[in-house]
Amino acid sequence: EPEVTQTPSHQVTQMGQEVILRCVPISNHLYFYWYRQILGQKVEFLVSFYNNEISEKSEIFDDQFSVERPDGSNFTLKIRSTKLEDSAMYFCASSAVGEQYFGPGTRLTVT
Amino acid sequence: AQSVTQPDIHITVSEGASLELRCNYSYGATPYLFWYVQSPGQGLQLLLKYFSGDTLVQGIKGFEAEFKRSQSSFNLRKPSVHWSDAAEYFCAVGRSGGGADGLTFGKGTHLIIQP
Repeated sequence: EPEVTQTPSHQVTQMGQEVILRCVPISNHLYFYWYRQILGQKVEFLVSFYNNEISEKSEIFDDQFSVERPDGSNFTLKIRSTKLEDSAMYFCASSAVGEQYFGPGTRLTVT
Repeated sequence: AQSVTQPDIHITVSEGASLELRCNYSYGATPYLFWYVQSPGQGLQLLLKYFSGDTLVQGIKGFEAEFKRSQSSFNLRKPSVHWSDAAEYFCAVGRSGGGADGLTFGKGTHLIIQP
């Protein structure tokens, strides 16, 4: 069964550093998403992406964040200058029409 | 803006007992409703969804949910739980059944199964 994959599973970085989180969505899906889940809190929508551009973004998705689909398979989330409060689990999701399928997540720890 | 409330942070049930997890949503139009399950260290797996039609929807792993518009609820049920059902359960609402709309999640209910 096709699935969304994410790398790395765990990323540790120092405050102020740039990080790139990578996702490979399900191959025939057209819509891509990033969500985050701070430890012990709910899953929060960050951004959606369709047809090579951002479709919707939440207020969390400020200028420190960017997304890109650099080739036909990868979908990335970049955080330019990480802060302590960026520590969270980041989930990528994709959909064709209908439900969103989530990847296993990348745990980002900012020290 | 839409919102989701899951009033129970933790629920403990005995193996073999029935289960109901509560979910209330707030949205001005027809909601698209989802239940996801998250096992420790895992991603989110879709259990079931409601888009339209029959208000009682069946999902995977023996789960079902009932959409009640008058109560703005979408409660998840299972007649007999198994130890493997121990996990975090999230209710979510979307503005559409697909497309670029982000989902709004509740805070989750942690399900504990006791032998």
